Amino acid sequence: ETGVTQSPTHLIKTRGQQVTLRCSSQSGHNTVSWYQQALGQGPQFIFQYYREEENGRGNFPPRFSGLQFPNYSSELNVNALELDDSALYLCASSLNGDGKETQYFGPGTRLLVL
Amino acid sequence: SQQGEEDPQALSIQEGENATMNCSYKTSINNLQWYRQNSGRGLVHLILIRSNEREKHSGRLRVTLDTSKKSSSLLITASRAADTASYFCATDAGGSYIPTFGRGTSLIVHP
Repeated sequence: ETGVTQSPTHLIKTRGQQVTLRCSSQSGHNTVSWYQQALGQGPQFIFQYYREEENGRGNFPPRFSGLQFPNYSSELNVNALELDDSALYLCASSLNGDGKETQYFGPGTRLLVL
Repeated sequence: SQQGEEDPQALSIQEGENATMNCSYKTSINNLQWYRQNSGRGLVHLILIRSNEREKHSGRLRVTLDTSKKSSSLLITASRAADTASYFCATDAGGSYIPTFGRGTSLIVHP
């Protein structure tokens, strides 16, 4: 157990809808990163939040957005869902957003877009 | 494009045997990390090796890094059925702190 939790565990949405995924970071960690993992692929970096500010972004369109709250928990929002958004969404927390610290992953949210 | 690529894509061995997985990458790195993932769940961090290190051990795990060949290997000794999982390497490309994952090696250990 890493202490990182995600909700919900599974979700089914329809194309065009919006979804919000949630992540609670490990105690003492101020950085949360979000990843998308399609079936049979490795995780792809979406973005990272460090002390409530976006601290880096991968190659994802603006309809992927996020928030980090004062308690360092985080949300991932995806608007105008597309079929290709179906994936496992992982969040990971770390002590600092400098890449030198180990990331601790949550169990993921599996999203299916129909 | 993938920064890190694992090889082989799949590996099937008997319990007690050693399992070796390789990771190749394209650009210079600060560090390389290996992760394990069971059945599409969250990733578990195994080992981080920095660019100035050549070898690290953790229990039955041994990781080597050859920066001249831009490659790393993960050796699991005396494998167990519980080692069945997908294994990923993640690299940070040059000055970026963003880890880039490969597609992973699927390891099956038969009891």
